[in-house]
Amino acid sequence: RKEVEQDPGPFNVPEGATVAFNCTYSNSASQSFFWYRQDCRKEPKLLMSVYSSGNEDGRFTAQLNRASQYISLLIRDSKLSDSATYLCGFSYGKLTFGQGTILTVHP
Amino acid sequence: GAVVSQHPSWVICKSGTSVKIECRSLDFQATTMFWYRQFPKQSLMLMATSNEGSKATYEQGVEKDKFLINHASLTLSTLTVTSAHPEDSSFYICSARDPGSGRPRSYNEQFFGPGTRLTVL
Repeated sequence: RKEVEQDPGPFNVPEGATVAFNCTYSNSASQSFFWYRQDCRKEPKLLMSVYSSGNEDGRFTAQLNRASQYISLLIRDSKLSDSATYLCGFSYGKLTFGQGTILTVHP
Repeated sequence: GAVVSQHPSWVICKSGTSVKIECRSLDFQATTMFWYRQFPKQSLMLMATSNEGSKATYEQGVEKDKFLINHASLTLSTLTVTSAHPEDSSFYICSARDPGSGRPRSYNEQFFGPGTRLTVL
């Protein structure tokens, strides 16, 4: 089983849509969980950390389910500028990334 | 957030030459830095963990004699790709943790450099 499994997409959604991504991890020792955003030919930038209680930042909501070993990211009211690759990350001393999910928001 | 720089941002070299990439933490001291490689349409793969004042820890399958890492100070780590070949062409990204961020160690947030795009002809 892969350390991290993430649906690569691509997801093509219209502006204003709600879209959700999931990521599963196999190492139950993972301590920290993240969602990163990566634009084409750029470095990844932290979008948000993911906490057990779930957390929200504007249009973005992240959830962690330790029992089922997955994290999710929900984007509401999608904007054109949300188009990017979204990487999930899990840390247990070192940070391991998922394959990345490509999101394209179109007019 | 903390700032990490990389130099050069891109490099083109001939097969067989060696290329050195620098990673610097600009406003914090990093005892640990990480080197990743990303091939087109693939995720970031951790190559090695660079430890200040000691040897780097390499991930399985990464040749330590080919990818030389030096972490001589708390703000600088270098990756040297020796005898580069076309298959080494990739996007190399470093990252560092900011231990002084005030957050607990388990937070583990990493700050990434802008990356170095290496093309070997």
